[in-house]
Amino acid sequence: DIQMIQSPSSLSASMGDRITITCQANEDISDCLNWYQQKAGKAPQPLIFDASNLETGVPSRFSGSGSGTDFSFTISGLQPEDIATYYCQQCAGYPYTFGQGTKVEIK
Amino acid sequence: QVQLQESGPGLVKPSETLSLTCTVSGGSVNSRSHYWSWLRQPPGKGLKWIGHVYYSGNTNDNPSLKSRVTISIDTSKNQFSLQLRSVTAADTGVYFCARRTGDGYRTVFDLWGQGTMVTVSS
Repeated sequence: DIQMIQSPSSLSASMGDRITITCQANEDISDCLNWYQQKAGKAPQPLIFDASNLETGVPSRFSGSGSGTDFSFTISGLQPEDIATYYCQQCAGYPYTFGQGTKVEIK
Repeated sequence: QVQLQESGPGLVKPSETLSLTCTVSGGSVNSRSHYWSWLRQPPGKGLKWIGHVYYSGNTNDNPSLKSRVTISIDTSKNQFSLQLRSVTAADTGVYFCARRTGDGYRTVFDLWGQGTMVTVSS
C-alpha cells in the first residue's frame, strides 16, 4: 500500500492567518493527490484534485502544490467556516489511502 | 442534482455480516464515467477506502479487509451494495458511499452520502 504521512495532526491559528499542511507519500504518486475537508458530523468534501486544481465552487484562499512524494495544502486567510479536519488522499494506486488528517481550530 | 443515500442496520452482531445499500437519485449508476465506492471511518479516526464497483460489475477492494468484502451493483434499482462478512468490533464506524469520478484526470471522490453509523456489538 502507498502510505500517506500528513502533518501536523492538529493546529490552532488565528482568523486571517495562513496555514500549511503537508502530506508525504512513501513512493512517487506523480500528481495524483487530492485534498478533502470534513466538518464535524459530515461527509468529506473535495477541495483540491490532482495536487493543485481547485474543485468548482471552492474559495480561492485554498490551494495545493507538489508532485512526486511531497505535497502541501494552504489556506491563505483562515476563516471561521474553515474549522474542520483536512485529509490528503492518493489516487495513484489501489488501495486508495488517506493521510491521518489535520484538525484545524481557531485560536 | 445527484444524491447518494446509505441504508442498512445500525447494529450488527460479531461474526455476522454487515450489509449496506447506497441508493443513487438524480443520476444513474449505469455510467462509464464513475466508480461507486464504499469508505469507512472508525469513531474519532481517519478514512479508509473499502472498495468500489463499476457499472459492469467489476470490482476492486482493499486487501487489508482479507477478502471479507463483496460489493455489487443493481442497475435496475440504481443501487450498489456492500457486504462485510465476519465482523468484529474493529469494523464499527461510519460507513460512507461515494462516487469516484475520473480516470487519469480528476480521479476524486466528488460526491458522498451522509454516512451511516454501524456498531458491531452483541
